[in-house]
Amino acid sequence: DVKVTQSSRYLVKRTGEKVFLECVQDMDHENMFWYRQDPGLGLRLIYFSYDVKMKEKGDIPEGYSVSREKKERFSLILESASTNQTSMYLCASSSRGTSLGLAKNIQYFGAGTRLSVL
Amino acid sequence: QKEVEQDPGPLSVPEGAIVSLNCTYSNSAFQYFMWYRQYSRKGPELLMYTYSSGNKEDGRFTAQVDKSSKYISLFIRDSQPSDSATYLCAMRTFNQAGTALIFGKGTTLSVSS
Repeated sequence: DVKVTQSSRYLVKRTGEKVFLECVQDMDHENMFWYRQDPGLGLRLIYFSYDVKMKEKGDIPEGYSVSREKKERFSLILESASTNQTSMYLCASSSRGTSLGLAKNIQYFGAGTRLSVL
Repeated sequence: QKEVEQDPGPLSVPEGAIVSLNCTYSNSAFQYFMWYRQYSRKGPELLMYTYSSGNKEDGRFTAQVDKSSKYISLFIRDSQPSDSATYLCAMRTFNQAGTALIFGKGTTLSVSS
């Protein structure tokens, strides 16, 4: 079974703190994603990475950065946390696939990190 | 117009009811369609996956895609309290760069015993 592990289930941080959210997958997936999920807004893509050291901005990258130094690990960084970054953060991974098969489209999610910024 | 529209609900049904969950979309290039189920305080998990048009059945669940109407559905037969969750539709095009999925906002379903 694919496993995507997020390092923390719950985090409470103060405004202005630097926050690191860690995600590790064990399926050798090329693609990794960070989303935030808010009531009424659904899942919104923050950043994704399709290879080590590669990253692409999603729909809402402002206030966030990411790091992917190893294939299995994708980190989300809040440089200076603000109250409007209080949210549920979800990490996902997927296979790029070597053909046009369907499997590469499936994203596997972690359990989420509920971050509160006070 | 948003790319994917999904009624947020909440939808409340009694145990044993047939449930219909729906999404509409605007991009005719979408080819891959997925339904994810998300229990409270958990991450989404893949429930059903279809390519292009047609139906796919898995136990009590049936996914249906109507590309001519740009409409996808998830049917749940003999609904159970354990089906209470938020259901997210997701889709992507064949050659969409970055392999990012486009998600609906989710429909919250409550099945009462």
